[in-house]
Amino acid sequence: NAGVMQNPRHLVRRRGQEARLRCSPMKGHSHVYWYRQLPEEGLKFMVYLQKENIIDESGMPKERFSAEFPKEGPSILRIQQVVRGDSAAYFCASSPGQLKQPQHFGDGTRLSIL
Amino acid sequence: QKEVEQNSGPLSVPEGAIASLNCTYSDRGSQSFFWYRQYSGKSPELIMFIYSNGDKEDGRFTAQLNKASQYVSLLIRDSQPSDSATYLCAAIRGSAGGTSYGKLTFGQGTILTVHP
Repeated sequence: NAGVMQNPRHLVRRRGQEARLRCSPMKGHSHVYWYRQLPEEGLKFMVYLQKENIIDESGMPKERFSAEFPKEGPSILRIQQVVRGDSAAYFCASSPGQLKQPQHFGDGTRLSIL
Repeated sequence: QKEVEQNSGPLSVPEGAIASLNCTYSDRGSQSFFWYRQYSGKSPELIMFIYSNGDKEDGRFTAQLNKASQYVSLLIRDSQPSDSATYLCAAIRGSAGGTSYGKLTFGQGTILTVHP
């Protein structure tokens, strides 16, 4: 399967714990994007990364959230000290990196906070 | 004013009819436009993308772009019950100084129901 791979598909955490979401882009894609979809709301951009660089993090909450895309391995979205309001579907997308090339989405991680 | 606006619907059409989905955007710097389909509980699936004024056809789908009116639409011909989903319109802003802005700005989505 050459698609965008996200894991885990479902993640349950208790308030105050840390959540780590992983994303491996499609083969040949060097640009990764993270989006969040809250219940009954639209998709909202969070962060855009290339290998070892954060390009645009204008949609990331200032606290508790961080993202990385290391030289080797998947992109990681990390949420520290999770709260109930973090419960959402988190989608990763990837693209080849050219302006008019579309982004393709992974299956997402459904994060539930107890 | 939302950057990308869609009528949330629901839009209900009979099987075999043409479904027309509309989207407007406020940022004149938007260059590329995308239509994604999202089934309940699933991830967005790319249907079409368009960046030039006019029509672009792919099978039963036609995307239309009018940059002067800041309007994008998606027509689905011969609608099938399997087309029932939420359709998301998204835009990417143009580049400045040679840097590409990859952030997709989504509308709220239009729920389409195709009834037999």
